[in-house]
Amino acid sequence: SQQGEEDPQALSIQEGENATMNCSYKTSINNLQWYRQNSGRGLVHLILIRSNEREKHSGRLRVTLDTSKKSSSLLITASRAADTASYFCATPAMNTGFQKLVFGTGTRLLVSP
Amino acid sequence: SAVISQKPSRDICQRGTSLTIQCQVDSQVTMMFWYRQQPGQSLTLIATANQGSEATYESGFVIDKFPISRPNLTFSTLTVSNMSPEDSSIYLCSVNRGRPEGYGYTFGSGTRLTVV
Repeated sequence: SQQGEEDPQALSIQEGENATMNCSYKTSINNLQWYRQNSGRGLVHLILIRSNEREKHSGRLRVTLDTSKKSSSLLITASRAADTASYFCATPAMNTGFQKLVFGTGTRLLVSP
Repeated sequence: SAVISQKPSRDICQRGTSLTIQCQVDSQVTMMFWYRQQPGQSLTLIATANQGSEATYESGFVIDKFPISRPNLTFSTLTVSNMSPEDSSIYLCSVNRGRPEGYGYTFGSGTRLTVV
């Protein structure tokens, strides 16, 4: 399976704290994406980082990518209760012409007021 | 970016019956992707739906169980056939928002299926 691993599987923090999630993948990539899923509904695209980028910011989100270690991290700063969701990393599968997304196992984040 | 309307949002079905899930996209797209998310799990790709040709199924998924239609560039259906409780999952459709390396993917809101 090409599915990546994410850790932790679950993370519980207080509002205002930072949340860090890690993702490891197995194959060569051209980009890595992070998605959020609220309560088992549809996924929302958060941020995309290309393979030649090392860090990217979007609002309270910071993503890093280390292609030598085949790993990425997502940092959510100053978390809010509304950030409670599952977070998935995903990579376009190289053997499909980078068309099909392969998802990591996900991290369930709980932010308490 | 594309907007996807997926329905039904949820259903409870008897074993042995079939359910058809629809996804309507507000713009023309070449590929549409269908995923399954089993309870507490990540997303697994079922198949890729191309307009004008047979869908391409991933290992472990077969056309008889998950027939797919793609009559035009804005619409696709996935049928879950002869359902059993093991088919209870969230099913999602997805399209690429732009160039493959550009903008990520847009997902439908999901269909939560419970088979009893």
